Amino acid sequence: DQQVKQNSPSLSVQEGRISILNCDYTNSMFDYFLWYKKYPAEGPTFLISISSIKDKNEDGRFTVFLNKSAKHLSLHIVPFQPGDSAVYFCAASEGDQTGANNLFFGTGTRLTVIP
Amino acid sequence: SQTIHQWPATLVQPVGSPLSLECTVEGTSNPNLYWYRQAAGRGLQLLFYSVGIGQISSEVPQNLSASRPQDRQFILSSKKLLLSDSGFYLCAWSVVQYDTEAFFGQGTRLTVV
Repeated sequence: DQQVKQNSPSLSVQEGRISILNCDYTNSMFDYFLWYKKYPAEGPTFLISISSIKDKNEDGRFTVFLNKSAKHLSLHIVPFQPGDSAVYFCAASEGDQTGANNLFFGTGTRLTVIP
Repeated sequence: SQTIHQWPATLVQPVGSPLSLECTVEGTSNPNLYWYRQAAGRGLQLLFYSVGIGQISSEVPQNLSASRPQDRQFILSSKKLLLSDSGFYLCAWSVVQYDTEAFFGQGTRLTVV
């Protein structure tokens, strides 16, 4: 049972444009969310996170938006750069069960640049 | 700074053969350690986690096992591989106090033939 869902397996974005990655979750107890970025043949690297007490968190070109009522979060990359081409994983956990052993990951979205 | 080493990077093994993947962490003490697997078309799945030497918790029943013989060493093993064990295996660590954010190794691409 996939509790974190990324319904787009792949997306293509033009350089310089905005890239939006979406993630939905089913467990209403989730209240901490993370995005990981993964290059081929490498492990995922932490990108950005958001707690449920916020609806937006920014870090440079990356912004994560959280809509708790819709159980939806999104990652915006502006402007999109060729080096951003990677697989992006959404992950979620329940606040009172902190620990990477309680992280639930989505299936990932492969983001590629349109030349 | 902390680093995590995982090897080998790629591995092709016949069905029924044993498996041993090793992961070590440097620059930190008493980390939480994790083994994840990413099978084709699926998300990252937690296989095992460890909060200390000799302490292993299994998340998914399978023919794999894990051991933590030293504080910063985590080993994933199997006595007899199955075709379904093919996938990308990732070791990860986290700091106890902030351990929702895990740091991953380079991964091992395992192909069972």
